[in-house]
Amino acid sequence: GENVEQHPSTLSVQEGDSAVIKCTYSDSASNYFPWYKQELGKRPQLIIDIRSNVGEKKDQRIAVTLNKTAKHFSLHITETQPEDSAVYFCAASVTSGTYKYIFGTGTRLKVLA
Amino acid sequence: DVKVTQSSRYLVKRTGEKVFLECVQDMDHENMFWYRQDPGLGLRLIYFSYDVKMKEKGDIPEGYSVSREKKERFSLILESASTNQTSMYLCASSSGPAFLYEQYFGPGTRLTVT
Repeated sequence: GENVEQHPSTLSVQEGDSAVIKCTYSDSASNYFPWYKQELGKRPQLIIDIRSNVGEKKDQRIAVTLNKTAKHFSLHITETQPEDSAVYFCAASVTSGTYKYIFGTGTRLKVLA
Repeated sequence: DVKVTQSSRYLVKRTGEKVFLECVQDMDHENMFWYRQDPGLGLRLIYFSYDVKMKEKGDIPEGYSVSREKKERFSLILESASTNQTSMYLCASSSGPAFLYEQYFGPGTRLTVT
């Protein structure tokens, strides 16, 4: 079945450094890849997404890259700040005629001041 | 602004009880979802619905059922709660297919089964 692998499971960086989270998907027909951020005790919220016809998308300090050939996509956060500390989930759309995503297992990012 | 609400933030139930988790969205969204969130396992889809009275199994439907009698409301039912169903349950909604639209999440219900 469809699967999304996410690495690393935990990531600690110094404030101001960059953070990279990587995901690999199995369904070569997946065409939408959102990233959600979940702060402690709060609901997941979409922070950025990318569609399969685009290789890279940037929004201020965050960017997502997509490599369709290798079936992987990555989240890049530059100049990390303490408020970036959260759990990040990647997801990939399923193309078997349904309306769902498959989520990765999450990455807990800690930004150390 | 999309609002997804869940009936309880915290719930404690006994083994064997029937449990109802309610989710309501106020944006006339077609699609609604129930996920279970466990440490190290991420968000796993239990059931989803793309229309009133329509439902489809997700990846882990065993032990759960759902009901969607009205467009704005999607209920998750644990017919006979077990301790391995202790978890955080998240409801979500979207206005269209997953390959086009983001999902909006509720605040979650932390269920403990003793």
